Amino acid sequence: DAGVIQSPRHEVTEMGQEVTLRCKPISGHNSLFWYRQTMMRGLELLIYFNNNVPIDDSGMPEDRFSAKMPNASFSTLKIQPSEPRDSAVYFCASSPNREAKNIQYFGAGTRLSVL
Amino acid sequence: AQSVSQHNHHVILSEAASLELGCNYSYGGTVNLFWYVQYPGQHLQLLLKYFSGDPLVKGIKGFEAEFIKSKFSFNLRKPSVQWSDTAEYFCAVTTDSWGKLQFGSGTQVVVTP
Repeated sequence: DAGVIQSPRHEVTEMGQEVTLRCKPISGHNSLFWYRQTMMRGLELLIYFNNNVPIDDSGMPEDRFSAKMPNASFSTLKIQPSEPRDSAVYFCASSPNREAKNIQYFGAGTRLSVL
Repeated sequence: AQSVSQHNHHVILSEAASLELGCNYSYGGTVNLFWYVQYPGQHLQLLLKYFSGDPLVKGIKGFEAEFIKSKFSFNLRKPSVQWSDTAEYFCAVTTDSWGKLQFGSGTQVVVTP
């Protein structure tokens, strides 16, 4: 299996622009998680899905952030409008199903720079 | 609220030295514990995990961790580090049935030749 695939790997944009980050989970995995990593705040869970349904979006920082999972093999995280403080590495992870003992498998991340 | 604390933010040591990274969590119920590693420029990978049973668990690359319930701790150890162990190490806990991970702030480990 190719693992969790994220695109793009790097994104540089200007403040105010819309940014869309993409994630393809491991085939057969039913849970998907979006994280943000910054020097100041470490790894933060933004939102997670189970069977394509958002379960908890309490970590989404503001209304400028939205996430969707239209099907089992694709998810997007959108920031509109983007701001410099959104600069971070965004990770997507998937796990086999809803289960506290499941290992999460992480993608390579998208490094976002908002100028 | 549950929290995960990693006491050392930055550790520098020489090859062949022993490594121990502290992790404490605050949650009184059943927990599942993980250590993840992030090598420079790479994604997070699982080092080891504890769910139940023997509190001393062994992971990949010679790492091990000990769960001490009375201390709410899950410290990571390696007897003899290598330069390739340079990475950031994250302790994580799940306390809900959805597998939601709460991460510690991470410890940056630098191993000098």
